[in-house]
Amino acid sequence: AQTVTQSQPEMSVQEAETVTLSCTYDTSENNYYLFWYKQPPSRQMILVIRQEAYKQQNATENRFSVNFQKAAKSFSLKISDSQLGDTAMYFCAFMKHREYGNKLVFGAGTILRVKS
Amino acid sequence: DSGVTQTPKHLITATGQRVTLRCSPRSGDLSVYWYQQSLDQGLQFLIQYYNGEERAKGNILERFSAQQFPDLHSELNLSSLELGDSALYFCASSVRGLAVYNEQFFGPGTRLTVL
Repeated sequence: AQTVTQSQPEMSVQEAETVTLSCTYDTSENNYYLFWYKQPPSRQMILVIRQEAYKQQNATENRFSVNFQKAAKSFSLKISDSQLGDTAMYFCAFMKHREYGNKLVFGAGTILRVKS
Repeated sequence: DSGVTQTPKHLITATGQRVTLRCSPRSGDLSVYWYQQSLDQGLQFLIQYYNGEERAKGNILERFSAQQFPDLHSELNLSSLELGDSALYFCASSVRGLAVYNEQFFGPGTRLTVL
């Protein structure tokens, strides 16, 4: 079974600074996807960024980027120029590839607080 | 707005009761997933349906059941409710067709409180 571990229960960062959230996972699969989801106080689950395991290039979405280390099974999220609106719970998630869709396996989450 | 709707938004009920949570997936999405988010267990996958058929099961209790109807909406039935069933229940949908990657879009969730 796949497991996802987020070792940082809480983190804080000053506005405009950079912060990195850590995630490690365990799997024997070769074809899979990794995600970071954001859950603000509204509780809505918002996809921040995804990474396909077969791609060596790290994914980037505006201020959000990942450091994907496949051999080390590590998938960290870097948030640059942090904004107050980035305050949220962040979940790392894993999904095996299946053509009919597949479940997401989530980590325990990291609460990020952006301070002004 | 993800396009996934869930009703009701909030539900308060008593132990031993039965409730039904409803989910309408994004137009055209064939797969529906149910997840439970609780303080104790975090975010857990419960069950997946694809085009009316059960595709995968997670740690879903025997007291819980689900189905997906011909119009693709889904219902999650929770019975003999216990205090520990209090949680946020999410529905997500994906898969408009066979594809290499299918993003899951989450609904706003149903907050269940068992008293």
